[in-house]
Amino acid sequence: GENVEQHPSTLSVQEGDSAVIKCTYSDSASNYFPWYKQELGKGPQLIIDIRSNVGEKKDQRIAVTLNKTAKHFSLHITETQPEDSAVYFCAASKDKAAGNKLTFGGGTRVLVKP
Amino acid sequence: EPEVTQTPSHQVTQMGQEVILRCVPISNHLYFYWYRQILGQKVEFLVSFYNNEISEKSEIFDDQFSVERPDGSNFTLKIRSTKLEDSAMYFCASSVAEAFFGQGTRLTVV
Repeated sequence: GENVEQHPSTLSVQEGDSAVIKCTYSDSASNYFPWYKQELGKGPQLIIDIRSNVGEKKDQRIAVTLNKTAKHFSLHITETQPEDSAVYFCAASKDKAAGNKLTFGGGTRVLVKP
Repeated sequence: EPEVTQTPSHQVTQMGQEVILRCVPISNHLYFYWYRQILGQKVEFLVSFYNNEISEKSEIFDDQFSVERPDGSNFTLKIRSTKLEDSAMYFCASSVAEAFFGQGTRLTVV
């Protein structure tokens, strides 16, 4: 089955700096890669996703890149703010369509220091 | 904004007891899921449910676990005889495309 590895497990950045989280996956059949943000006391919230027919996607300060050949994808947060502090999870699935299970990475705890 | 709601937020139970975790998925969603996260470990898929039946389950989801949609709005996870190792955060999710997660139920088995 699919295995997703995520690094680093913790990341501390100064406010205004960039943060990068990297994930690798094992199953070449995976085609959908969402990123979730989990704040304290809340469930994972989808913040951005990418499909395998796209190499990069951007939404304001957040961007994801995907290298399907190397089976890795990354989350980039620019101009970090204290409210970006949270645990971030990458995940992989065969398709975005409903019914496909997600395989999660281990999570990255991001701390943005003011 | 519609959201997935889970109750209770925290449940403590004696080993061997049955527990039922409850979820109200987003109303127009068709697929429902349970995931769990043992402390310090990854979020793991347990089961997906569609059209009133299980569509996929993981090897974790053994005979001790069952799911039900009893009334068209709730989606429940039952653990028949809890073990210490069932202690975890349990997340419900629902989808029509991407999955939306609830806030989780922390289950503590003592």
